[in-house]
Amino acid sequence: GAVVSQHPSRVICKSGTSVKIECRSLDFQATTMFWYRQFPKQSLMLMATSNEGSKATYEQGVEKDKFLINHASLTLSTLTVTSAHPEDSSFYICSARDSGLSYEQYFGPGTRLTVT
Amino acid sequence: EDQVTQSPEALRLQEGESSSLNCSYTVSGLRGLFWYRQDPGKGPEFLFTLYSAGEEKEKERLKATLTKKESFLHITAPKPEDSATYLCAVRTRSGYNKLIFGAGTRLAVHP
Repeated sequence: GAVVSQHPSRVICKSGTSVKIECRSLDFQATTMFWYRQFPKQSLMLMATSNEGSKATYEQGVEKDKFLINHASLTLSTLTVTSAHPEDSSFYICSARDSGLSYEQYFGPGTRLTVT
Repeated sequence: EDQVTQSPEALRLQEGESSSLNCSYTVSGLRGLFWYRQDPGKGPEFLFTLYSAGEEKEKERLKATLTKKESFLHITAPKPEDSATYLCAVRTRSGYNKLIFGAGTRLAVHP
């Protein structure tokens, strides 16, 4: 149980283009999903909290117009990196909290984004 | 400011050599401490949740304990497949559902 998937696992895009990453909870409903960014050999940095049916809450310093988050259903949240630049290259990981259980977050396998 | 510090940053063990990883925290009201395992290029895998001082949880060769200031992840007779980065995270009273992560401990177990 508590499986979270992400798609794609890897993506390479050109500078200036937009990229969409999907995060799905496969066997549970998630009213809250989280998006993290991780640089090599560093820990996870929370970017935003996504609540189903409402606007995402962004952490300080994260540009909400650049990182668009949509949480349209209880099993799907998407992160769109708009007008990507090389400095946006990173490992993006989503997590989901099971609405019916306690406060554990279950993580997806991550998406490696490379902007050329 | 809420803070989570993990030590050591990196740890090298021989197979069978037991040890402990430390996670110390300074938070305004702990509402849960979480341990995760992360393999290179993958998302973190949930291991344990601890909520109150004195609580202990075990899973195979791993045992997590919690005091009012820190948590330990004890690894008994580790095997090479236990090699990974172990992350500690806390949920706080003021942080709602957010987790604050430590920097992690990179564990390497050699045969």
